[in-house]
Amino acid sequence: AQKVTQAQTEISVVEKEDVTLDCVYETRDTTYYLFWYKQPPSGELVFLIRRNSFDEQNEISGRYSWNFQKSTSSFNFTITASQVVDSAVYFCALSEAGGGGATNKLIFGTGTLLAVQP
Amino acid sequence: ETGVTQTPRHLVMGMTNKKSLKCEQHLGHNAMYWYKQSAKKPLELMFVYNFKEQTENNSVPSRFSPECPNSSHLFLHLHTLQPEDSALYLCASSQGQGIYGQPQHFGDGTRLSIL
Repeated sequence: AQKVTQAQTEISVVEKEDVTLDCVYETRDTTYYLFWYKQPPSGELVFLIRRNSFDEQNEISGRYSWNFQKSTSSFNFTITASQVVDSAVYFCALSEAGGGGATNKLIFGTGTLLAVQP
Repeated sequence: ETGVTQTPRHLVMGMTNKKSLKCEQHLGHNAMYWYKQSAKKPLELMFVYNFKEQTENNSVPSRFSPECPNSSHLFLHLHTLQPEDSALYLCASSQGQGIYGQPQHFGDGTRLSIL
């Protein structure tokens, strides 16, 4: 069965601290995609990154970095030198290519609320 | 113009009212989705449309009635709702059939309160 687990419900850090948000997934497919979304208080989910199951290369985008490890079925997200504007709920999600294929159905984790204090 | 636009942003209605939520996407996508996000609960996928055809209904009560007249527009018609239906309703769109691994793009959501 497909499942995404974000064990951290809430994290609070002080500005400029580094913070890692954990994501663990379960799937039987060999081809799948992983995503991170950010949901600020305004409500909109903002797409941050997509990785496919064949690309384990870590990615860095400014202060954001992602660590994809198939061996542990994890796709963790690190924010370096956090800022108050990073305060939001962050969702990890999984999409399988073989699951009926007609649409890009996403399976979301329950989200991690990140509060960055000034 | 933003990619996915939802109206209204906020809606307060009584249990006997009928209202509709609207979603419009300007991204050239062919798949559209309705999600419900309640406090302290995970995002719940409600409906999926691909090329105007409904491909998924996740056991949503009939008091929620979706409509997809074309690939750019999606509606959610509401009638006789219950207090537990109060939530943030999010619309999303993505590339459709056969193009895997495409991200969904979300609107700002409609915050619905049932009195």
